[in-house]
Amino acid sequence: DTEVTQTPKHLVMGMTNKKSLKCEQHMGHRAMYWYKQKAKKPPELMFVYSYEKLSINESVPSRFSPECPNSSLLNLHLHALQPEDSALYLCASSQGDTTYNEQFFGPGTRLTVL
Amino acid sequence: AQSVTQLDSQVPVFEEAPVELRCNYSSSVSVYLFWYVQYPNQGLQLLLKYLSGSTLVKSINGFEAEFNKSQTSFHLRKPSVHISDTAEYFCAVSDQGYSTLTFGKGTMLLVSP
Repeated sequence: DTEVTQTPKHLVMGMTNKKSLKCEQHMGHRAMYWYKQKAKKPPELMFVYSYEKLSINESVPSRFSPECPNSSLLNLHLHALQPEDSALYLCASSQGDTTYNEQFFGPGTRLTVL
Repeated sequence: AQSVTQLDSQVPVFEEAPVELRCNYSSSVSVYLFWYVQYPNQGLQLLLKYLSGSTLVKSINGFEAEFNKSQTSFHLRKPSVHISDTAEYFCAVSDQGYSTLTFGKGTMLLVSP
């Protein structure tokens, strides 16, 4: 299995809602990533988990809360989002060996905040 | 710190014509280099990568890129493009020994009949 899966594919939420994005991989990778991608822009790194521990937080607002319950699963909990948070949220994984970082990306969750 | 420059935001080309997408990087240390492709409404797919060894790397669908250390470039080429190659192409760099990618702004390849 060489896939990274993400659910849901699309999500529409109001500014007072609480929702979660889910990412899963079964490649034995020990590093997992969340990216935010606005239209016509490159992905922007949000969080990195290495061996299930948060290793990088790129100054992301606290309304985004990541969670890594186990080595195969990565969640992104959303609360009190703003319309400008509407974007494609991409999950990726890599082996976790810092000498070689090929990241495998999921198809993304397209989020719309009303 | 490292950075990636993709000078062309959009490259229009006719089907079966050759194409080159340019990528230059800056880094004070040795790097790994990647090209990712993103088709409309999809995630990113790795197209090809340079880690070490031969400076010319090739993908299974006819793309190739050459790592040029003296010019700090990693340009992507294809001798004959297809309509299905229409997509956004991102060049990315990773420091050896560190785990994050730095992406360029992307180049939209538009192939028309």
